[in-house]
Amino acid sequence: GDSVTQMEGPVTLSEEAFLTINCTYTATGYPSLFWYVQYPGEGLQLLLKATKADDKGSNKGFEATYRKETTSFHLEKGSVQVSDSAVYFCALGEPGNTGKLIFGQGTTLQVKP
Amino acid sequence: DGGITQSPKYLFRKEGQNVTLSCEQNLNHDAMYWYRQDPGQGLRLIYYSQIVNDFQKGDIAEGYSVSREKKESFPLTVTSAQKNPTAFYLCASSNPGRAGANVLTFGAGSRLTVL
Repeated sequence: GDSVTQMEGPVTLSEEAFLTINCTYTATGYPSLFWYVQYPGEGLQLLLKATKADDKGSNKGFEATYRKETTSFHLEKGSVQVSDSAVYFCALGEPGNTGKLIFGQGTTLQVKP
Repeated sequence: DGGITQSPKYLFRKEGQNVTLSCEQNLNHDAMYWYRQDPGQGLRLIYYSQIVNDFQKGDIAEGYSVSREKKESFPLTVTSAQKNPTAFYLCASSNPGRAGANVLTFGAGSRLTVL
């Protein structure tokens, strides 16, 4: 079945460092891909999405490009801030109209001043 | 403001007790979902409902039950049959459109602890 694999955390960076969180997927067809962010004690918020190959999603300085040839959707940010500390989830939209999402296990990012 | 309200935020339960977690949305979304979150395991789907009076099991439905009597409400009951209920529970809603292009809106979650 469809699945999502993320790099294991935690990822610890200094402020203003470059961030990459790897995400690869296995899917039939061409699913939409998502990054969600979860701040401590809260629910998940959509960070960005891409609905077809070569699309680039972007928001708040974060970017991810839908790479069909490598089945990847890596999250990047050029300069992280302490406020970016959170758990990041990669997800894919299950085929069909159920609306279900399949999530990766999440990657914790800690940014130190 | 539109959104999803989950209650209670924290809940403690004794073994053998059933508990019900509330989820209400005012987004006029057709579909609603319950996910369970455990440390290091991401989110796993418990139940989902695409329309009123209809719902389907997700990947880990055993020991849980739901109802969808109103479009706005999708309560989750954690029964005594659930072997390891201590977890963070997240409710979400959406309007599924093009296949796979769905954006979920999440509530703030309910943390259940079994004593």
